[in-house]
Amino acid sequence: DAGVIQSPRHEVTEMGQEVTLRCKPISGHDYLFWYRQTMMRGLELLIYFNNNVPIDDSGMPEDRFSAKMPNASFSTLKIQPSEPRDSAVYFCASSGTGDSNQPQHFGDGTRLSIL
Amino acid sequence: AQSVTQLGSHVSVSEGALVLLRCNYSSSVPPYLFWYVQYPNQGLQLLLKYTSAATLVKGINGFEAEFKKSETSFHLTKPSAHMSDAAEYFCAVSGGAQKLVFGQGTRLTINP
Repeated sequence: DAGVIQSPRHEVTEMGQEVTLRCKPISGHDYLFWYRQTMMRGLELLIYFNNNVPIDDSGMPEDRFSAKMPNASFSTLKIQPSEPRDSAVYFCASSGTGDSNQPQHFGDGTRLSIL
Repeated sequence: AQSVTQLGSHVSVSEGALVLLRCNYSSSVPPYLFWYVQYPNQGLQLLLKYTSAATLVKGINGFEAEFKKSETSFHLTKPSAHMSDAAEYFCAVSGGAQKLVFGQGTRLTINP
């Protein structure tokens, strides 16, 4: 079975540019999560969706960050304008419905470097 | 609110030695607990999960964890470390509505 697919795997861009990260969750999963991982702050939940609807975006750092899920098989995380402090590894994860014991399945991440 | 504390950001053991990674949790409801492993340049992979069926949970790659309610702990163990176990390990507790609250991670180094 295909896992969570993220693209691109690596992104290097200059400060001020728009960055778009993409995620395809596992088919049939109806929860989708975006995380950011840095050495200083560890793994942070940015936002998550249920049935394509954003449920909790309290982890989104600021208005420069936005996320969408136009359908059950695709989500984007956009940063505009990007800043060097946004450099991190961004992970997408998905999980199925049910009790809270459903594990999250992670993609391999996008390593973002803002110069 | 749920939280997780992983004791020790770095653990180093010799190949063949016991691996013990410590995790304590705080939860206002009966918890669901997870251990994940992250290899370099990869995402997190599920090692095992506790869902109240049994206090001793066996996972992949020879790892297991024991849920101890009285100690609010969910420590991860493996009897004999292998070089391929070198990775970062994360403990997590269910935060409700499918959310997970992760610990800060423990980096495991295996010495030959």
